[in-house]
Amino acid sequence: GENVEQHPSTLSVQEGDSAVIKCTYSDSASNYFPWYKQELGKRPQLIIDIRSNVGEKKDQRIAVTLNKTAKHFSLHITETQPEDSAVYFCAARGGSNYKLTFGKGTLLTVNP
Amino acid sequence: SAVISQKPSRDICQRGTSLTIQCQVDSQVTMMFWYRQQPGQSLTLIATANQGSEATYESGFVIDKFPISRPNLTFSTLTVSNMSPEDSSIYLCSAPQGADLNNEQFFGPGTRLTVL
Repeated sequence: GENVEQHPSTLSVQEGDSAVIKCTYSDSASNYFPWYKQELGKRPQLIIDIRSNVGEKKDQRIAVTLNKTAKHFSLHITETQPEDSAVYFCAARGGSNYKLTFGKGTLLTVNP
Repeated sequence: SAVISQKPSRDICQRGTSLTIQCQVDSQVTMMFWYRQQPGQSLTLIATANQGSEATYESGFVIDKFPISRPNLTFSTLTVSNMSPEDSSIYLCSAPQGADLNNEQFFGPGTRLTVL
């Protein structure tokens, strides 16, 4: 089955800096890659996603890039703010099933 | 986005008892998924709930321990049976929006279970 590796497990940045989280996946049939933000005690919230027919997608300060050949995708957050502090999960889905497989998560801390 | 609610939001239970968690979606969805999230960990899929057929369980999860019902296209239940402290976790239901399984997937608020 699918295996998703996520790095780093923790990331601390200064407010205003950029943050990058990277994920790799194993199943070449995967074609959908969402990113979720989970604040303490809250549900995972979808913040951006990308499909395999696109190489990059942006939404304001957040962008995701996908390299299908290398089977990796990354989340980029620019101009980080303290409210960006949370755990971020990448996931992959595709093939004949519709299950999301999650990475282990990255705890992002944005220091004021 | 689909609005997903769960009941109860939290519970404290004695070992050996069972708890049924309800998940309600505000629109019809084809599949519903049940996840477990242990403290400080990622999300692990327990099973896929399909309307009109048996749930499909992931490796390490069995129907006797986690029976699932899916009586219609907006509702599902997960029961955690014969609980032990190791079952203490957050249980979340999730669904892709609408009938298209390729749509974005949203999560319920979770049920925080503590087993004493």
